[in-house]
Amino acid sequence: DAGVIQSPRHEVTEMGQEVTLRCKPISGHNSLFWYRQTMMRGLELLIYFNNNVPIDDSGMPEDRFSAKMPNASFSTLKIQPSEPRDSAVYFCASSLARKASGGFYNEQFFGPGTRLTVL
Amino acid sequence: AQTVTQSQPEMSVQEAETVTLSCTYDTSESDYYLFWYKQPPSRQMILVIRQEAYKQQNATENRFSVNFQKAAKSFSLKISDSQLGDAAMYFCAYRRGARSEKLVFGKGTKLTVNP
Repeated sequence: DAGVIQSPRHEVTEMGQEVTLRCKPISGHNSLFWYRQTMMRGLELLIYFNNNVPIDDSGMPEDRFSAKMPNASFSTLKIQPSEPRDSAVYFCASSLARKASGGFYNEQFFGPGTRLTVL
Repeated sequence: AQTVTQSQPEMSVQEAETVTLSCTYDTSESDYYLFWYKQPPSRQMILVIRQEAYKQQNATENRFSVNFQKAAKSFSLKISDSQLGDAAMYFCAYRRGARSEKLVFGKGTKLTVNP
């Protein structure tokens, strides 16, 4: 079974350019998460979707960031315009929220990440 | 807001020895989940172990076990018989309740395993 697929693995761009990161979740999973990892702030949740609907976008830094999930097998995170402080590793994760004793349990499976460098 | 604190930026252990990584969290919730994730140099985040707050028994997965102290809001990870492949960043994470999917991560502890 293929895991979470992210593309590109590395992206180098210049300030002001538009950047689009892509994610294909594990087939059958119904939740998708976008995280950002930096040395200063650690690993932060940006946004997550359940059944293609955004549930919590409180971590999205500002209007320059947007995320979409047009269908169950694809999501994008777009930064426009990009700035040097956006340089980070961006992770996508997916999970299958399923009912277990005590509530819903879901393990998040992470992709390999996209290392973004904005010059 | 919930916070997760890992007070040890770096730890080292000799191969075959035991090491304990610390994690504390702050929450007013009674129902929550705690996790330890491993991130090797490959960057891949891998779930190591999880603990449901309503369970009193500490979780164990092979050489990995936790010491969950609910009253103290402490959740430490013990790695027994450390192996070179255990070298990685380890992140403690918190998830509120059974219906929330949002994970809050600590800043991580870098574990070095010396041969």
